Amino acid sequence: GDSVTQMEGPVTLSEEAFLTINCTYTATGYPSLFWYVQYPGEGLQLLLKATKADDKGSNKGFEATYRKETTSFHLEKGSVQVSDSAVYFCALKVYAGGTSYGKLTFGQGTILTVHP
Amino acid sequence: DAGITQSPRYKITETGRQVTLMCHQTWSHSYMFWYRQDLGHGLRLIYYSAAADITDKGEVPDGYVVSRSKTENFPLTLESATRSQTSVYFCASSESSGGNQPQHFGDGTRLSIL
Repeated sequence: GDSVTQMEGPVTLSEEAFLTINCTYTATGYPSLFWYVQYPGEGLQLLLKATKADDKGSNKGFEATYRKETTSFHLEKGSVQVSDSAVYFCALKVYAGGTSYGKLTFGQGTILTVHP
Repeated sequence: DAGITQSPRYKITETGRQVTLMCHQTWSHSYMFWYRQDLGHGLRLIYYSAAADITDKGEVPDGYVVSRSKTENFPLTLESATRSQTSVYFCASSESSGGNQPQHFGDGTRLSIL
Protein backbone atom coordinates (compact mmCIF):
# COMPACT_ATOMS: atom_id res chain seq x y z
CA GLY A 1 0.00 0.00 0.00
CA ASP A 2 0.87 3.68 0.09
CA SER A 3 2.99 5.03 2.90
CA VAL A 4 4.96 8.11 3.93
CA THR A 5 7.97 8.12 6.25
CA GLN A 6 9.17 11.35 7.82
CA MET A 7 12.28 11.97 9.84
CA GLU A 8 11.55 11.67 13.51
CA GLY A 9 11.50 14.78 15.58
CA PRO A 10 11.40 16.91 17.41
CA VAL A 11 13.75 19.20 15.53
CA THR A 12 15.15 22.17 17.43
CA LEU A 13 16.98 24.95 15.60
CA SER A 14 18.23 28.45 16.22
CA GLU A 15 16.80 31.31 14.22
CA GLU A 16 18.38 31.69 10.76
CA ALA A 17 19.56 28.06 10.69
CA PHE A 18 19.04 25.82 7.66
CA LEU A 19 16.16 23.38 7.84
CA THR A 20 15.76 19.98 6.23
CA ILE A 21 12.93 17.59 7.06
CA ASN A 22 13.27 14.30 5.23
CA CYS A 23 10.30 12.58 3.64
CA THR A 24 10.27 9.36 1.63
CA TYR A 25 7.32 7.50 0.23
CA THR A 26 6.06 4.31 -1.35
CA ALA A 27 3.11 4.52 -3.71
CA THR A 28 1.08 2.05 -5.71
CA GLY A 29 0.20 4.55 -8.42
CA TYR A 30 1.23 8.02 -9.62
CA PRO A 31 1.42 10.21 -6.54
CA SER A 32 1.15 13.90 -6.00
CA LEU A 33 3.11 15.08 -2.98
CA PHE A 34 2.24 17.68 -0.38
CA TRP A 35 3.65 19.38 2.67
CA TYR A 36 1.18 20.61 5.27
CA VAL A 37 1.94 22.76 8.32
CA GLN A 38 0.00 22.79 11.58
CA TYR A 39 0.46 25.72 13.95
CA PRO A 40 -0.51 25.26 17.61
CA GLY A 41 -4.27 25.01 18.06
CA GLU A 42 -4.99 25.18 14.35
CA GLY A 43 -5.81 22.85 11.49
CA LEU A 44 -3.48 21.72 8.75
CA GLN A 45 -2.61 24.28 6.10
CA LEU A 46 -1.25 23.40 2.69
CA LEU A 47 2.33 24.64 2.51
CA LEU A 48 3.36 23.43 -0.94
CA LYS A 49 2.77 20.68 -3.45
CA ALA A 50 4.32 18.93 -6.46
CA THR A 51 2.35 16.84 -8.88
CA LYS A 52 4.98 15.20 -11.07
CA ALA A 53 8.59 14.10 -11.01
CA ASP A 54 11.21 16.88 -10.81
CA ASP A 55 8.57 19.48 -9.92
CA LYS A 56 9.64 21.90 -7.19
CA GLY A 57 7.01 23.26 -4.87
CA SER A 58 7.74 26.46 -2.99
CA ASN A 59 6.00 28.81 -0.59
CA LYS A 60 7.03 31.20 2.21
CA GLY A 61 10.71 30.38 1.68
CA PHE A 62 10.13 26.62 1.93
CA GLU A 63 10.98 24.33 -0.98
CA ALA A 64 10.63 20.66 -1.81
CA THR A 65 11.53 18.77 -4.98
CA TYR A 66 9.70 15.64 -6.14
CA ARG A 67 12.45 13.05 -6.67
CA LYS A 68 11.03 9.97 -8.30
CA GLU A 69 14.37 8.14 -8.46
CA THR A 70 14.82 8.33 -4.69
CA THR A 71 11.07 8.45 -3.85
CA SER A 72 11.67 11.52 -1.73
CA PHE A 73 10.17 14.95 -1.11
CA HIS A 74 12.41 16.62 1.45
CA LEU A 75 11.36 19.99 2.86
CA GLU A 76 14.02 22.72 3.06
CA LYS A 77 14.27 26.31 4.17
CA GLY A 78 17.42 28.37 4.07
CA SER A 79 16.81 30.51 7.16
CA VAL A 80 14.13 29.59 9.68
CA GLN A 81 12.28 32.02 11.91
CA VAL A 82 10.67 31.60 15.31
CA SER A 83 7.30 31.87 13.57
CA ASP A 84 8.09 28.65 11.63
CA SER A 85 7.70 26.62 14.83
CA ALA A 86 4.96 24.13 14.01
CA VAL A 87 4.29 20.52 13.08
CA TYR A 88 5.06 19.61 9.47
CA PHE A 89 3.34 16.74 7.65
CA CYS A 90 4.40 15.16 4.41
CA ALA A 91 1.55 13.55 2.46
CA LEU A 92 0.87 11.81 -0.81
CA LYS A 93 -2.20 11.36 -2.93
CA VAL A 94 -2.58 8.68 -5.56
CA TYR A 95 -5.27 9.13 -8.12
CA ALA A 96 -6.18 5.67 -9.37
CA GLY A 97 -9.13 6.79 -11.46
CA GLY A 98 -12.61 5.33 -11.44
CA THR A 99 -14.03 5.28 -7.95
CA SER A 100 -10.85 6.51 -6.29
CA TYR A 101 -11.59 9.18 -3.71
CA GLY A 102 -8.08 10.52 -3.79
CA LYS A 103 -6.96 9.22 -0.43
CA LEU A 104 -4.40 11.42 1.30
CA THR A 105 -1.75 9.40 3.14
CA PHE A 106 0.13 11.30 5.84
CA GLY A 107 3.46 10.87 7.52
CA GLN A 108 3.59 10.99 11.31
CA GLY A 109 4.53 14.66 11.44
CA THR A 110 7.72 16.40 12.55
CA ILE A 111 7.68 18.95 15.35
CA LEU A 112 9.90 21.94 14.63
CA THR A 113 10.89 24.39 17.36
CA VAL A 114 12.91 27.47 16.46
CA HIS A 115 14.62 29.45 19.24
CA PRO A 116 15.58 33.12 18.99
CA ASP B 1 -15.79 34.34 4.87
CA ALA B 2 -15.23 31.47 2.51
CA GLY B 3 -13.66 28.39 3.95
CA ILE B 4 -14.31 25.39 6.12
CA THR B 5 -15.75 25.81 9.59
CA GLN B 6 -15.97 23.28 12.39
CA SER B 7 -18.09 23.55 15.51
CA PRO B 8 -17.78 23.36 18.37
CA ARG B 9 -14.05 24.03 18.80
CA TYR B 10 -14.05 22.31 22.19
CA LYS B 11 -16.42 19.76 23.68
CA ILE B 12 -16.47 17.80 26.91
CA THR B 13 -18.99 15.02 27.33
CA GLU B 14 -19.51 11.77 29.20
CA THR B 15 -19.26 8.18 28.09
CA GLY B 16 -22.46 6.87 26.54
CA ARG B 17 -23.65 10.27 25.37
CA GLN B 18 -24.35 11.08 21.75
CA VAL B 19 -22.36 13.97 20.33
CA THR B 20 -22.35 15.56 16.89
CA LEU B 21 -19.49 17.51 15.39
CA MET B 22 -20.39 19.93 12.64
CA CYS B 23 -18.51 20.79 9.47
CA HIS B 24 -19.52 23.42 6.93
CA GLN B 25 -17.69 24.48 3.77
CA THR B 26 -18.47 27.36 1.44
CA TRP B 27 -16.49 26.25 -1.63
CA SER B 28 -19.07 23.75 -2.91
CA HIS B 29 -16.35 21.10 -2.90
CA SER B 30 -17.58 17.65 -3.84
CA TYR B 31 -15.36 15.70 -1.45
CA MET B 32 -15.39 15.97 2.32
CA PHE B 33 -13.45 14.02 4.93
CA TRP B 34 -13.30 13.43 8.66
CA TYR B 35 -10.00 12.65 10.39
CA ARG B 36 -8.96 12.11 13.95
CA GLN B 37 -5.53 13.12 15.18
CA ASP B 38 -3.93 11.24 18.04
CA LEU B 39 -0.38 11.19 19.39
CA GLY B 40 1.50 8.28 17.90
CA HIS B 41 -1.07 7.70 15.16
CA GLY B 42 -0.92 10.87 13.10
CA LEU B 43 -4.10 11.57 11.14
CA ARG B 44 -6.46 8.71 10.46
CA LEU B 45 -9.42 8.86 8.10
CA ILE B 46 -12.78 8.08 9.69
CA TYR B 47 -15.25 8.67 6.85
CA TYR B 48 -15.37 10.47 3.56
CA SER B 49 -18.02 11.65 1.14
CA ALA B 50 -17.77 12.05 -2.62
CA ALA B 51 -21.02 14.04 -2.97
CA ALA B 52 -24.32 14.65 -1.25
CA ASP B 53 -25.84 11.35 -0.14
CA ILE B 54 -22.63 9.42 -0.95
CA THR B 55 -20.49 8.41 2.01
CA ASP B 56 -18.01 5.64 2.70
CA LYS B 57 -15.80 4.30 5.46
CA GLY B 58 -12.19 5.20 6.00
CA GLU B 59 -9.61 3.49 8.18
CA VAL B 60 -11.29 3.84 11.60
CA PRO B 61 -15.09 4.13 11.16
CA ASP B 62 -16.29 2.06 14.13
CA GLY B 63 -18.43 4.03 16.57
CA TYR B 64 -19.05 6.90 14.15
CA VAL B 65 -21.89 7.83 11.82
CA VAL B 66 -21.95 10.46 9.08
CA SER B 67 -24.53 11.98 6.79
CA ARG B 68 -24.41 14.40 3.91
CA SER B 69 -27.82 15.69 2.88
CA LYS B 70 -26.35 18.95 1.55
CA THR B 71 -23.08 19.48 -0.30
CA GLU B 72 -21.84 22.06 2.20
CA ASN B 73 -22.42 20.12 5.43
CA PHE B 74 -20.86 16.90 6.69
CA PRO B 75 -21.69 16.19 10.35
CA LEU B 76 -19.97 13.44 12.31
CA THR B 77 -21.91 11.72 15.11
CA LEU B 78 -20.59 9.59 17.93
CA GLU B 79 -23.68 7.59 18.82
CA SER B 80 -22.45 6.40 22.22
CA ALA B 81 -19.18 8.11 23.10
CA THR B 82 -16.31 6.13 24.61
CA ARG B 83 -13.10 7.36 26.23
CA SER B 84 -11.09 5.99 23.32
CA GLN B 85 -12.80 8.56 21.12
CA THR B 86 -11.15 11.42 22.99
CA SER B 87 -9.21 13.11 20.21
CA VAL B 88 -8.89 16.13 17.96
CA TYR B 89 -11.20 15.84 14.96
CA PHE B 90 -10.54 17.54 11.66
CA CYS B 91 -12.86 18.03 8.74
CA ALA B 92 -11.44 18.58 5.27
CA SER B 93 -12.74 19.20 1.77
CA SER B 94 -11.40 18.82 -1.75
CA GLU B 95 -12.67 20.03 -5.09
CA SER B 96 -12.16 16.62 -6.68
CA SER B 97 -10.33 13.35 -6.21
CA GLY B 98 -7.74 14.40 -8.78
CA GLY B 99 -4.12 13.92 -7.83
CA ASN B 100 -3.25 17.61 -7.93
CA GLN B 101 -6.14 18.70 -5.74
CA PRO B 102 -5.17 19.24 -2.10
CA GLN B 103 -7.47 18.83 0.84
CA HIS B 104 -8.34 21.94 2.85
CA PHE B 105 -8.73 21.55 6.59
CA GLY B 106 -10.82 23.17 9.29
CA ASP B 107 -9.37 24.26 12.63
CA GLY B 108 -10.52 21.12 14.41
CA THR B 109 -12.71 20.12 17.33
CA ARG B 110 -11.00 19.02 20.52
CA LEU B 111 -13.26 16.38 22.08
CA SER B 112 -12.81 15.04 25.60
CA ILE B 113 -14.90 12.14 26.85
CA LEU B 114 -14.93 11.62 30.61
